[in-house]
Amino acid sequence: ILNVEQSPQSLHVQEGDSTNFTCSFPSSNFYALHWYRWETAKSPEALFVMTLNGDEKKKGRISATLNTKEGYSYLYIKGSQPEDSATYLCAFTHRDTGNQFYFGTGTSLTVIP
Amino acid sequence: DSGVTQTPKHLITATGQRVTLRCSPRSGDLSVYWYQQSLDQGLQFLIQYYNGEERAKGNILERFSAQQFPDLHSELNLSSLELGDSALYFCASSVGGVWSTDTQYFGPGTRLTVL
Repeated sequence: ILNVEQSPQSLHVQEGDSTNFTCSFPSSNFYALHWYRWETAKSPEALFVMTLNGDEKKKGRISATLNTKEGYSYLYIKGSQPEDSATYLCAFTHRDTGNQFYFGTGTSLTVIP
Repeated sequence: DSGVTQTPKHLITATGQRVTLRCSPRSGDLSVYWYQQSLDQGLQFLIQYYNGEERAKGNILERFSAQQFPDLHSELNLSSLELGDSALYFCASSVGGVWSTDTQYFGPGTRLTVL
């Protein structure tokens, strides 16, 4: 079983604050890294798929970076809004198992109005 | 709405019973994946089908089986149910198979409660 860790486990920020969290994964045999946003009582929603070292992706106020050599990805949210409150999951895929996702346990973000 | 549908939304049953969960992928997607989320664990990959064939297996118990039909919908069968099988079961779909990096689109999940 591959170890994918996310930190912090939970985060409370004030509306307007910028924040970031980390996904750590094995640095060898990297295939791809996916980020998802999961709101309570809904299904996980895809944010980004990242495949190359140094990749940077952006969607509105959310962006992500990838470092495959050291085995981590950062997700940034600029100017957090209450609607950003959700659990953010990363899913690592390994070269030996292709598109089989190994999920981290997530970072739960609460944005306080 | 991801375009992936799952039925039923909730299922309550007793230990020892058998249940079937159903998933319809997004139009055009050939791969279906099943995931389990128990109370104290993250999302765990169970099994993947691509165009009707089993392509990858994760931590799926022998009491569990799945199949994908010619119309590409998939069913997950859980038998001899135990209390510990209570979980949220998600289905996801993607266009490509095992050796793609395609986004997986998740359905709304089926909440299984075993009493």
